Order: sequence, then C-alpha cells, then structure tokens
Amino acid sequence: GQQLNQSPQSMFIQEGEDVSMNCTSSSIFNTWLWYKQEPGEGPVLLIALYKAGELTSNGRLTAQFGITRKDSFLNISASIPSDVGIYFCAGRKVQGAQKLVFGQGTRLTINP
Amino acid sequence: DADVTQTPRNRITKTGKRIMLECSQTKGHDRMYWYRQDPGLGLRLIYYSFDVKDINKGEISDGYSVSRQAQAKFSLSLESAIPNQTALYFCATSDGGPETQYFGPGTRLLVL
Repeated sequence: GQQLNQSPQSMFIQEGEDVSMNCTSSSIFNTWLWYKQEPGEGPVLLIALYKAGELTSNGRLTAQFGITRKDSFLNISASIPSDVGIYFCAGRKVQGAQKLVFGQGTRLTINP
Repeated sequence: DADVTQTPRNRITKTGKRIMLECSQTKGHDRMYWYRQDPGLGLRLIYYSFDVKDINKGEISDGYSVSRQAQAKFSLSLESAIPNQTALYFCATSDGGPETQYFGPGTRLLVL
C-alpha cells in the first residue's frame, strides 16, 4: 500500500533547538494530519490541516499544508525534553474517506 | 479510567494459534478502527466499523477478522497467527472523520 515519505527518520538535537520535519507524496491529499506517539501510548493528534497553504500552530508546533497539496511540514520551536517521541504525518486523499495514509515516522531524541 | 482500553497489552503466541485482541471505549463514539504498526511503515488500517451492523475492510484485512459486539466493543481476531503478524496493534474510535480518531494504548503481539 501507499506510504507517505517522511523525513528525516530520526533526529538527535540539543534542548532549545528548533526542529523541522516533512512529509511528501506523489499524490494529492486534501487533509494532512500530524501525530505524536510516546512509548507505550497510541498516537495523539497534534495538528490537522484542511486547505492548501494553510499554516496552523499549536503552542510551539507549527504545521503547513503544502501549496501543491503533495506535502506538509511540521516545525517545533525551542524544543524541550517532553518533545521526545515519534512524530507521524498522515494524509487523507478524498473528502469523506475513512482511510488515512501514514508516514514512517520521525523519531526525535533531545539531549539536555 | 482510560477512554479507550485494549486487552491484552502484550501477547506472545505460537504460529497457527487463534487469538483475539479486544478494544472497549467509553467515549460514546460510533466509529471504531483497528490498525497495525510495523517499524518503518507507520500505521495501516485493518478494519473499521461505523456502527454495530457496519464492518468494512481496510488496507490489510487478509488473515484478520473483526466483531463489533456492541457500540463500545470492537474485537480483532487472528484466525491462524503467523510470524509476520508480529506487530503493534492499535484500536481507535471517532465521532467523525478519521482526523478525529482517538487511539488506544496498543497491544504488542509476538507470533513465534
């Protein structure tokens, strides 16, 4: 099945640094979602994007729906230790469809 | 109490055995989903259900079956487990589109 190409696969940063990750596809999506997963937990929705060009923030997190509708970006500013986890992008191709296509995840590790 | 609970949290079984993973929710949502997560592949949809009488196959339903016993309960069965079904399994619920999904904590399954 189709997967989204998420990069980087892992990041090792210092506390306080900014983080950027992205998700790309060869197909157009009409919804982009960003999730965070912590050990022993299910994914938790961080940000949902519904319109090309949309820029949405959730605290120190900012995500953008790419103009081409084939990509999305997530930025985390001034990282803190609790940002550690795996971040997933997910996309929905068709309005009303139940299926989400997920990226492979970006594992974020923060050195204090 | 957690809104979405999954039992067991961890399970080891042998090839050929039939096993059932259970999911229950107190969120009052009509829609329930089963996903599997493999390292490097993100989440993939196995089955989803809009209500007790509605069951739909997802992306990777072969080798799996489900039962929606009540609005609050959705079980996933592996009729004859095989090693490549070793994965982390998540149940999710929603009251709208997939972007509103709330994930359970997951069941880690190892098939020997």
